[in-house]
Amino acid sequence: AQSVTQPDIHITVSEGASLELRCNYSYGATPYLFWYVQSPGQGLQLLLKYFSGDTLVQGIKGFEAEFKRSQSSFNLRKPSVHWSDAAEYFCAVGQNTGNQFYFGTGTSLTVIP
Amino acid sequence: DGGITQSPKYLFRKEGQNVTLSCEQNLNHDAMYWYRQDPGQGLRLIYYSQIVNDFQKGDIAEGYSVSREKKESFPLTVTSAQKNPTAFYLCASRRQGGEANQPQHFGDGTRLSIL
Repeated sequence: AQSVTQPDIHITVSEGASLELRCNYSYGATPYLFWYVQSPGQGLQLLLKYFSGDTLVQGIKGFEAEFKRSQSSFNLRKPSVHWSDAAEYFCAVGQNTGNQFYFGTGTSLTVIP
Repeated sequence: DGGITQSPKYLFRKEGQNVTLSCEQNLNHDAMYWYRQDPGQGLRLIYYSQIVNDFQKGDIAEGYSVSREKKESFPLTVTSAQKNPTAFYLCASRRQGGEANQPQHFGDGTRLSIL
């Protein structure tokens, strides 16, 4: 069965520091992988996606993610965090039929001055 | 601008009452989805629809019902059979066809509370 694990429930980083949010997936075939961000009381905004090709993908707001098949991981990174990056981050895997998506439980990011 | 509109933003339900959450999209997407979000549990799929007049149950469909009479609209009814309806509800849509890795696009959600 497909599943997504985000091991870190909550992360706190200082503004300007680097960030890495972890995501591990379980899926038999080549996965479609996504990272979304959610601000309080709002919907989810797509940061980036991966299906094939270059394993390092660039997204919006300066985020990037690296797909590592051997580790079943798709970690999200940002070199320098801004206070406005404080939000909830969700990793998701999609079926190659495209009908259903499976979301992790999210990682809440706090940015301190 | 194209997007997904969920209404109302806040909704209150009395015990034993059915309520309907609205979701409208003007993205011309075929597929639409309803998720429930509870703290610490991520998003759980309630129902999804790939085409007009057809829909499938997700992981937590009990106590909910949907209809898909128009491509643009996918309303969700929370029935009195749903014993714990307090949650944040998110509607999403997705283009089918074209690139295989089409993402889901989300509305801004409806927060449902019990009076």
